[in-house]
Amino acid sequence: QSALTQPPSASGSPGQSVTISCTGTSSDVGSYNYVSWYQQHPGKGPKLMIFEVSKRPSGVPDRFSGSKSGNTASLTVSGLQAEDEANYYCSSYAGSNDYVVFGGGTKLTVL
Amino acid sequence: GQLVESGGGLVEPGGSRRLSCEGSGFTFSTAWMSWVRQTPGKGLEWIGRIKSKADGGTTDYGAPVRGRFTISRDDSKNTLYLQMNSLKTEDTAVYYCTTDLPYCSRTTCYFLDFYYGMDVWGQGTTVTVSS
Repeated sequence: QSALTQPPSASGSPGQSVTISCTGTSSDVGSYNYVSWYQQHPGKGPKLMIFEVSKRPSGVPDRFSGSKSGNTASLTVSGLQAEDEANYYCSSYAGSNDYVVFGGGTKLTVL
Repeated sequence: GQLVESGGGLVEPGGSRRLSCEGSGFTFSTAWMSWVRQTPGKGLEWIGRIKSKADGGTTDYGAPVRGRFTISRDDSKNTLYLQMNSLKTEDTAVYYCTTDLPYCSRTTCYFLDFYYGMDVWGQGTTVTVSS
């Protein structure tokens, strides 16, 4: 099983907002502000959507936002669009021994 | 930037395989590069990283592959390699190469020794370890 815990699925209608959680421990998410989120469409490689908890790479719509509270990080997708339907993975720096840990992924369905 | 992996296929347990990853659209020689694999059961797993030659060219590996896998690069060919030896059935996965995300201040960008993010990903190449 993955080190970070994500819900296996989430859904919302077009235009709505949905939030995906990512729960770690005090050794990873809770200790570092180096949480990233990736979007992956079927058959494609992941795409960086959020880094350093809440920063967006250029080209990522501002409908995507990130936050963190304690050991839990969250990704919110606002104004859902059909193309947002994908799998989303969180990741966190986990110290020099583990380097990075990933979540198991959340399948986002746009109803 | 773009990354294209190749070299995947069917390998017998105990065998070896070399994956390649060709980069384009960015300055390959200055990039820090990583390999990540993905399986249905264990999800995404970091394999290892190689720094640019200018930053020492050193490598780091995750525990599951340390001592069996080797990452190298040929900057003249804009190509990253993953040499996999003593393969096990649990190494069956889709293998991705990625560029590390640089940290950028207002005046400069540089790579961090710790995980900061993975910027560009390839489309992946599948390795199946089975007899």
